[in-house]
Amino acid sequence: DSGVTQTPKHLITATGQRVTLRCSPRSGDLSVYWYQQSLDQGLQFLIQYYNGEERAKGNILERFSAQQFPDLHSELNLSSLELGDSALYFCASSSRTSGTTDTQYFGPGTRLTVL
Amino acid sequence: AQTVTQSQPEMSVQEAETVTLSCTYDTSENNYYLFWYKQPPSRQMILVIRQEAYKQQNATENRFSVNFQKAAKSFSLKISDSQLGDTAMYFCAFSLTGANNLFFGTGTRLTVIP
Repeated sequence: DSGVTQTPKHLITATGQRVTLRCSPRSGDLSVYWYQQSLDQGLQFLIQYYNGEERAKGNILERFSAQQFPDLHSELNLSSLELGDSALYFCASSSRTSGTTDTQYFGPGTRLTVL
Repeated sequence: AQTVTQSQPEMSVQEAETVTLSCTYDTSENNYYLFWYKQPPSRQMILVIRQEAYKQQNATENRFSVNFQKAAKSFSLKISDSQLGDTAMYFCAFSLTGANNLFFGTGTRLTVIP
């Protein structure tokens, strides 16, 4: 158990809908990262937050957004869902933001199926 | 741009034997970190081992060790005394110092045969 929690474990929804994925980092970690794992694109970095502020952006679609709250939990919002958004979404956390590279610990993931 | 290549989509090894998974990467930067993550059938991403590029000594963690060749941009993972629980997808990942997002390879599916 990495100490990172994600809810829900599974999510099934329809095209055009909006969903919210939730992540709680390890105790004491200030950085949260979101990754998408799909069959055709592999594991891709989406976005990073550090202590409530956006720090880095990867291949995140405009239909997707995220935020980190004062209690450090993070939410990834996916809207206008398409079939191709079906994937496993991981949250990871680490304790530092820059200067060195801290190890990221991953949550169990949320499997999103868009029908 | 940073890229990570794992050229072995699938591998198998007999229980108790040794296996080496390959990874190459491309970067023009000098300061970075390399990782191996394991993803068993449960889909959890588990850190196996980490290597700082500025360290010449290869990292080891129990039965897991790496062969880091900086000039060749190669970072292979050796698993000794393979166990059934080692059956998983193994991902090589790269991160620049100061920029924590990870770049992943496409993975190698390892099966340990009893």
